[in-house]
Amino acid sequence: GAVVSQHPSWVICKSGTSVKIECRSLDFQATTMFWYRQFPKQSLMLMATSNEGSKATYEQGVEKDKFLINHASLTLSTLTVTSAHPEDSSFYICSARQWTGGNQPQHFGDGTRLSIL
Amino acid sequence: QKEVEQNSGPLSVPEGAIASLNCTYSDRGSQSFFWYRQYSGKSPELIMFIYSNGDKEDGRFTAQLNKASQYVSLLIRDSQPSDSATYLCAVFTITQGGSEKLVFGKGTKLTVNP
Repeated sequence: GAVVSQHPSWVICKSGTSVKIECRSLDFQATTMFWYRQFPKQSLMLMATSNEGSKATYEQGVEKDKFLINHASLTLSTLTVTSAHPEDSSFYICSARQWTGGNQPQHFGDGTRLSIL
Repeated sequence: QKEVEQNSGPLSVPEGAIASLNCTYSDRGSQSFFWYRQYSGKSPELIMFIYSNGDKEDGRFTAQLNKASQYVSLLIRDSQPSDSATYLCAVFTITQGGSEKLVFGKGTKLTVNP
């Protein structure tokens, strides 16, 4: 149980392109999903918390106009990197929490490796 | 700034030995603690979570929590080469603004030598 699917796994695109990443909870409802970014040899950095039916909460320093998050249903959240540039190249990982309890474990998707040329 | 500290390693142990991974955290009010395993190029995988002081065992894994010392550890018994990965300690925290999030350590790289 607690399977989180993330798509696509790899994206390579030109600078200026917008990229959409999907995160789905397959066997549970996730009222809260999280988006992380991880640069090589560094730990996960939380970008934003996505709550179903409401606006996402962004961490300090994360541009909300550049990283658009939509959590339209209890099983799907999307992250759109708008007008991506080479410095946005990174490993983007989503996670979902199974219950509304804040201290419950987060389950991660397989991640999306984004390369901007 | 609420922090989670881990020794980055690398920690090398022979096959069959006990691997001991340690983590300290700064937020004395934290109540929930998680260990994730991350293979190179992959996303984190939940290994264990612990909420109460003491030990929690699951197969070859034992998590230990000492809230007074703000210390959480993960023991891996009978280590296998397949256990070679980076182990991330994560602490659930509530920020001053009231938001809830996991704060991750930088991870300890474990290598189990055959």
